[in-house]
Amino acid sequence: DGGITQSPKYLFRKEGQNVTLSCEQNLNHDAMYWYRQDPGQGLRLIYYSQIVNDFQKGDIAEGYSVSREKKESFPLTVTSAQKNPTAFYLCASGQGLLGYTFGSGTRLTVV
Amino acid sequence: QQPVQSPQAVILREGEDAVINCSSSKALYSVHWYRQKHGEAPVFLMILLKGGEQKGHEKISASFNEKKQQSSLYLTASQLSYSGTYFCGTDNSGGSNYKLTFGKGTLLTVNP
Repeated sequence: DGGITQSPKYLFRKEGQNVTLSCEQNLNHDAMYWYRQDPGQGLRLIYYSQIVNDFQKGDIAEGYSVSREKKESFPLTVTSAQKNPTAFYLCASGQGLLGYTFGSGTRLTVV
Repeated sequence: QQPVQSPQAVILREGEDAVINCSSSKALYSVHWYRQKHGEAPVFLMILLKGGEQKGHEKISASFNEKKQQSSLYLTASQLSYSGTYFCGTDNSGGSNYKLTFGKGTLLTVNP
């Protein structure tokens, strides 16, 4: 079955540490997206990529970085520059004007 | 800028109807609607395109008013399974740089 796989499901980060969230899709979608979800805030766009080796900043890109070396993969790194990283992170993919398919999310907590 | 959704929350009894609204300050080219159950990923419900008509499936439908830059989601004869948070996602670019901006969501609770 086609879909999006995010890992890990839960992640704990120490102060000053970089962590990487994985996102893999086998839907053959060109576009991939990273959203952050906080209670009462909806989904806010961090980064997105329309094609391999190209990506754009979203509305809240500061403190995050991404890469898109393969069509199937779009990992997100939460750097130490992100001062408030505790949140639920959702990866999505899409093709043209079809709806997004979301992964099951990664819950990141700073300890 | 995020689209504005209203109401923020609504409580229904099974069988009642509800309307959720989504308004944008910018021109809309398409509107998506998603439902998210607690702790799960959002699930795509439908898309409405500029120049398109009202769409729907089963007892959930939606409309798109381009002039008012608004979309509304209609849930009729609600079922317990309709409970969740509903998000609208708007495309304001209209071009190849396709991305959605989501509202803050509407929490729908359907009670027996």
